[in-house]
Amino acid sequence: GNSVTQMEGPVTLSEEAFLTINCTYTATGYPSLFWYVQYPGEGLQLLLKATKADDKGSNKGFEATYRKETTSFHLEKGSVQVSDSAVYFCALSGRNTGNQFYFGTGTSLTVIP
Amino acid sequence: ETGVTQSPTHLIKTRGQQVTLRCSSQSGHNTVSWYQQALGQGPQFIFQYYREEENGRGNFPPRFSGLQFPNYSSELNVNALELDDSALYLCASSLSASGRRFEQYFGPGTRLTVT
Repeated sequence: GNSVTQMEGPVTLSEEAFLTINCTYTATGYPSLFWYVQYPGEGLQLLLKATKADDKGSNKGFEATYRKETTSFHLEKGSVQVSDSAVYFCALSGRNTGNQFYFGTGTSLTVIP
Repeated sequence: ETGVTQSPTHLIKTRGQQVTLRCSSQSGHNTVSWYQQALGQGPQFIFQYYREEENGRGNFPPRFSGLQFPNYSSELNVNALELDDSALYLCASSLSASGRRFEQYFGPGTRLTVT
């Protein structure tokens, strides 16, 4: 079946620290992979995506590389800011999922000044 | 270009009642998906509508039903509400064409509380 596993939170970092949030997936076929961000009281916003193996998605200093050999899509940022505090969701979707999105449970990030 | 909007923002219902949630798709989008996000969890797929027909359903009972209208807006109806139905309900719209579905955009959600 299809599923996404994210590292448990919450994660607390100091401003300018390096961020990694791990995400691994199980899927039939070759899905697209996504990171979404959810700020308090809001819906989900697409942060970045990758549609095939070895693709790197990037946006606002965040990056993630689609690794087929390790079935992973880890999110990284070199220097976090207080404004990055949010919940981050890894997700997959594709033709073999009926275009349905499968989300991880989310990782809460708090960045302190 | 307007984004995805949902109404109401918050709703409180009593167990056993029925509720209707509404979603207006982003301009030009023909596909709507609904998700349930329980507190501290990731969104769970309820169902998807494409051209007014249900086009995929997650593991939710029949008391969760929906509609999509000719203008591609959508409703989610839940009958016989249970306490576990308390959650944030998210709507997402996208464009589907030639068997491909492009990026989906989420609305801000409706927070449903069942007491």
